[in-house]
Amino acid sequence: DVVMTQTPLSLAVTPGEAASISCRSSQSLLDSDDGNTYVDWYLQKPGQSPQLLIHKLSFRASGVPDRFSGSGSDTDFTLKISRVEAEDVGIYYCMQLTEFPLTFGGGTKVEIK
Amino acid sequence: QVQLVQSGAEVKKPGASVKVSCKASGYIFIESWLHWVRQAPGQGLEWLGRVNPNSGDTTYAQKLQGRVTMTRDMSSSTVYMELSSLRSDDTAVYFCARRGSAEVFDLWGLGTLVTVSS
Repeated sequence: DVVMTQTPLSLAVTPGEAASISCRSSQSLLDSDDGNTYVDWYLQKPGQSPQLLIHKLSFRASGVPDRFSGSGSDTDFTLKISRVEAEDVGIYYCMQLTEFPLTFGGGTKVEIK
Repeated sequence: QVQLVQSGAEVKKPGASVKVSCKASGYIFIESWLHWVRQAPGQGLEWLGRVNPNSGDTTYAQKLQGRVTMTRDMSSSTVYMELSSLRSDDTAVYFCARRGSAEVFDLWGLGTLVTVSS
């Protein structure tokens, strides 16, 4: 199984400051068949279902503010929030969909200072 | 309204089985795979498997192979996830999620809490 190692475990950010979350996979997630890298990022707010932020490495989902961005390649991936807002609190998960079984990172809890 | 509506919370004894439903509405049911993901209390997300609403084809996580069965009922646009031989560590919120046309999990149910306790 592909192991997704996510860091840090938690992050306390001052509103307006930037935040960065890292995710590393145990093998390359580049799909050789179609050239896509199937890494998504989700935010789970307290008591809610996960919501999609970024798909296929760097594509923002519909309605997601442009302060969220995804980048990376092969085995190293990053989610950046350029200016954190209070509504961004929750747990962020990376997920790989290149190989079955699909697997998630362990999550990063983002709090506001 | 495009949504996935899941069945209500369940309490089961160890060794029993549970069947959770997920009813799709507002979109063409057969066009998207439906997946199941669970989250144990205070823990992260775990993918369990998927079912193709058109063909009934399934893919399961190896960890649950033999204990999990995912099915669909096209007449009611509903998918089911049945888990047998329940153990205490199966206690979790079970989510269904659609993997839509852009190959993303763009629609989630609200989750069903399954508690396994003697």
